[in-house]
Amino acid sequence: GEDVEQSLFLSVREGDSSVINCTYTDSSSTYLYWYKQEPGAGLQLLTYIFSNMDMKQDQRLTVLLNKKDKHLSLRIADTQTGDSAIYFCAEAENDSGAGSYQLTFGKGTKLSVIP
Amino acid sequence: KAGVTQTPRYLIKTRGQQVTLSCSPISGHRSVSWYQQTPGQGLQFLFEYFSETQRNKGNFPGRFSGRQFSNSRSEMNVSTLELGDSALYLCASSWGDRAYEQYFGPGTRLTVT
Repeated sequence: GEDVEQSLFLSVREGDSSVINCTYTDSSSTYLYWYKQEPGAGLQLLTYIFSNMDMKQDQRLTVLLNKKDKHLSLRIADTQTGDSAIYFCAEAENDSGAGSYQLTFGKGTKLSVIP
Repeated sequence: KAGVTQTPRYLIKTRGQQVTLSCSPISGHRSVSWYQQTPGQGLQFLFEYFSETQRNKGNFPGRFSGRQFSNSRSEMNVSTLELGDSALYLCASSWGDRAYEQYFGPGTRLTVT
């Protein structure tokens, strides 16, 4: 079955760059995602990338996809204390072409930003 | 534009009871998906509804069911609650033809005692 793996913890200093890594097993994944969850809150969609892309940049966020190695990363430039949260990697494929996308999530990486 | 809303936000139930959770999608979104989040299992897909029809289903027992109304609002029901059903239940909405772009609500925290 599909599996998404990511490290559980990451600690960085304020102002530094953070890089959160993720590996997935499903080669038919169509979309790959990064979601952010703050304490007591739901999931915030940060960004997603289509599987035929290598990179996507959105302000301080850069997503890199290595489809050959099934490796996805999220780089946060100039990390701020407000970036402290749990970051989830997820993958999805179109279920039987019916238009339904079931997301499979990793366990999440807890990012702690040290002032 | 208002985001995804879920009610209630918190719920405490007793084992054996049943519960109904509600989700109102972003205006114009016609697809609603439900996920269960627990510390042990993480985030797991329950089911997805589009145009009042269940379009996809995860690997959960039949005690978990859902429905969608003509205004795209969705409810999920859990019957005969077990202690292990304690979780954060999240719903996500998306455009029907872009169901890969899912926006989540704040969740309903269910505690079963």
